[in-house]
Amino acid sequence: EIVMTQSPATLSVSPGDTATLSCRASQSVSSNLAWYHQKPGQAPRLLIYGASTRATGIPARFSGSGSGTEFTLTISSLQSEDFAVYYCQQYKNWPPWTFGQGTKVEIK
Amino acid sequence: QVQLVESGGGVVQPGGSLRLSCAASGFTFSGYGMHWVRQAPGKGLEWVAFIRYDGSNKYYADSVKGRFTVSRDNSKNTLYLLMNSLRPEDTAVYYCVKGHSSSWNYFDYWGQGNLVTVSS
Repeated sequence: EIVMTQSPATLSVSPGDTATLSCRASQSVSSNLAWYHQKPGQAPRLLIYGASTRATGIPARFSGSGSGTEFTLTISSLQSEDFAVYYCQQYKNWPPWTFGQGTKVEIK
Repeated sequence: QVQLVESGGGVVQPGGSLRLSCAASGFTFSGYGMHWVRQAPGKGLEWVAFIRYDGSNKYYADSVKGRFTVSRDNSKNTLYLLMNSLRPEDTAVYYCVKGHSSSWNYFDYWGQGNLVTVSS
């Protein structure tokens, strides 16, 4: 099973600033990496797939990078609706599909 | 637009059973693999089960293997999760999730979730 590890657990950021979230895989997942965000009381929503491709309707301020075992999600010019929990997920080797434990982006 | 609407959740005693349903619309249901993902209160996301587009293959998380059964009825555009021998640790919101494709099997659409509470 591939273990996904996210850091930090919580990130305090001011509106308008940039947030950088990290995700590490216990073995290479190539570019088979997705990012989701989840607002309180809502279902998760797909943000990024293929490590760097934005899903339909996702604004350009969200960008993903990385391959192999190290990945980054960058959110520039943070807006109020971006404060949420972010999860990475690998879909290279399955089953199981595995998620990181999440990074909470909160208002500073 | 893609819609996934779960139903069937509720409160059940330990050792009991429950069946979740997920009504799909807005896409060709019979062409896509489908997943169940759960989230315990205040916790992260855990993949539970996957069924291929035609039901030919099914996969389960070790935590539910032998207790849960995923199935689908493509004539009714509906996904199911039969949960037996339920435990308190199965308490969670259960999401019905559409797989993108067999080659790129990430989760592109999620239902709103359905709460299952296992408690005496």
